Parts: sequence; C-alpha cells; structure tokens
Amino acid sequence: GAGVSQSPSNKVTEKGKDVELRCDPISGHTALYWYRQRLGQGLEFLIYFQGNSAPDKSGLPSDRFSAERTGESVSTLTIQRTQQEDSAVYLCAVMSRGFWDGYTFGSGTRLTVV
Amino acid sequence: ELKVEQNPLFLSMQEGKNYTIYCNYSTTSDRLYWYRQDPGKSLESLFVLLSNGAVKQEGRLMASLDTKARLSTLHITAAVHDLSATYFCAVEGLDSNYQLIWGAGTKLIIKP
Repeated sequence: GAGVSQSPSNKVTEKGKDVELRCDPISGHTALYWYRQRLGQGLEFLIYFQGNSAPDKSGLPSDRFSAERTGESVSTLTIQRTQQEDSAVYLCAVMSRGFWDGYTFGSGTRLTVV
Repeated sequence: ELKVEQNPLFLSMQEGKNYTIYCNYSTTSDRLYWYRQDPGKSLESLFVLLSNGAVKQEGRLMASLDTKARLSTLHITAAVHDLSATYFCAVEGLDSNYQLIWGAGTKLIIKP
C-alpha cells in the first residue's frame, strides 16, 4: 500500500537459515506493526513499535523472532533458524495519518521455508 | 481474551444478489475495521466504525456496528463480479497498543 514499502516481496529460504524482512514507512508514522498471515487465515499480531517507547513483543511466537526499529524509520523483522511453520506472508502496517482512517498495510513479504 | 468470529467463511453468490457477512467479537472494543484483500495482494481499508449504531456506505457495500450486541455486518447490495475478494473484520482491543484482532476472513466469490 502507498506509504509502506516492504522488501523482499518474496523470499524462499532453506530450513535453518536466518532471514531478515524489511519495512520502510513514509516518515511521520510513529506507530508500526508487524503481522503474520498464514495461508487462508486472518492476521496474527507479532510486534508493535510506538516512537521511542519499548516495543510490545507480546505476539512474537518464539525467541527465534526479533524486530528492531530506530525512531520512526525502517523496521526489520528477523527470523532465526527458520522452520517450515514460519512460512507465511509477513505484513507491516502503520496507523494512517488520519487517525480515524485506520491502518495502512504494506504489500507484504511472502516467506517460504523449504 | 478478545476473539473475533466471522461468518460465513466462504460465500459464492450470483451477480445482482444481496448478502450479509457477520462479524462477532467477544469483549468491548472502541473500533472495528473492515478490510478487503484480493489474492496475492495486501489489505485495503474499507470502513472504520467508531461508535454504536455507526453505519457507513461505499458503493454497494454498507457496514454497521452494534456495540451492545458486539456485532458488525457488511452488507453487499446487487453484487458485481469486481467485489470478489476476501473480506476481513478486525477489532481494536481496549487494553492493547491499538493492535488489531482479526477474524478469519470471508472469501466471497461472485459469479457473473
């Protein structure tokens, strides 16, 4: 979606490898979220960043998952020692500029672990 | 724990017909969202519903919210093929960092 760029759009990796997913929002969005969407399912919350506050990591499924964000800029989601169950689309979202307009999502990274 | 249930999960209908998708949620929430997702694409925001009795309409889609019943509906009027997509509702939890709790989605197929 306009305002949020994610890369890569597709990633195929071997089981056990580490991957890094990137989210690059247009500046000025203080709130940034990562979600995971498994095939045919709704989204699962992973992590939330709000400015310089400590991130809410309550949705991370295991300690193999981590994410970073510096200020209001790029965020990276890292998955270590990938497993096949990590295969999913990983979506990044920011709260839209008009607070009542909801959230703007990136196009996502489709991760396939083989 | 906030849970969101949508039904039906799959809907196949003919053009020109009307139908309703239902979204139930388990605890109080401030905001409810409807999104559309086309295959292989990201999510497109359709509606944000902020208060009890809220009704919003855009073209052939109309969404409503009943916070007392914890129910939102997405009504499709005189469906057209272009509305084929998966529709998600999502609810913002009161005690969350505005994170959204999502329904499983309703896959809508509209046959010409």
